[in-house]
Amino acid sequence: AQKITQTQPGMFVQEKEAVTLDCTYDTSDQSYGLFWYKQPSSGEMIFLIYQGSYDEQNATEGRYSLNFQKARKSANLVISASQLGDSAMYFCAMREGRSTGFQKLVFGTGTRLLVSP
Amino acid sequence: DAGVIQSPRHEVTEMGQEVTLRCKPISGHDYLFWYRQTMMRGLELLIYFNNNVPIDDSGMPEDRFSAKMPNASFSTLKIQPSEPRDSAVYFCASSPGRLSGGYTFGSGTRLTVV
Repeated sequence: AQKITQTQPGMFVQEKEAVTLDCTYDTSDQSYGLFWYKQPSSGEMIFLIYQGSYDEQNATEGRYSLNFQKARKSANLVISASQLGDSAMYFCAMREGRSTGFQKLVFGTGTRLLVSP
Repeated sequence: DAGVIQSPRHEVTEMGQEVTLRCKPISGHDYLFWYRQTMMRGLELLIYFNNNVPIDDSGMPEDRFSAKMPNASFSTLKIQPSEPRDSAVYFCASSPGRLSGGYTFGSGTRLTVV
């Protein structure tokens, strides 16, 4: 079974608008971590935001926020006021597995975001 | 800190040749990971180390792949012999091990086997 599901292969948004990238996850652990990474065309993987399973508040980092709905097992990334430089591939990932010391980071298939002027 | 450093950035080799990819993790990070990224399979974890010891190599595709971490500041991923289907971007990442600690990735090595 897929651990991380990103159902949107591609998303388009106009500059200055907000966009939500979807992510659902599957785990039986009570303790886990959720991450979003950005991969621009240059190829590097850039860490954006983290949400812990016990965190009561949604995580925010600048223009990025994570809409965490634990009961629905969703961890959507919201980018406010999109910029042209936000055009990139975005990956949702989960760190889980108490038995493995939470060391494995499992990635979704990614969503390609294109921001237009 | 200079971040995770990988070399080379690009490698083109002929089928059957040995390829060695190198990684220097962030100082103080106890965990090191090797990932492979392809269009077909996305990001796959190949192997990871804790304090230089291989913990899980279940993602290594076959015996042609091997990885070592002789000390805390250096790791290699070797493919011998290489095949065209090994063409991919190989990422090294390191982590301090906390649940809240995301991985820091290197810039990747783009491997092309012709």
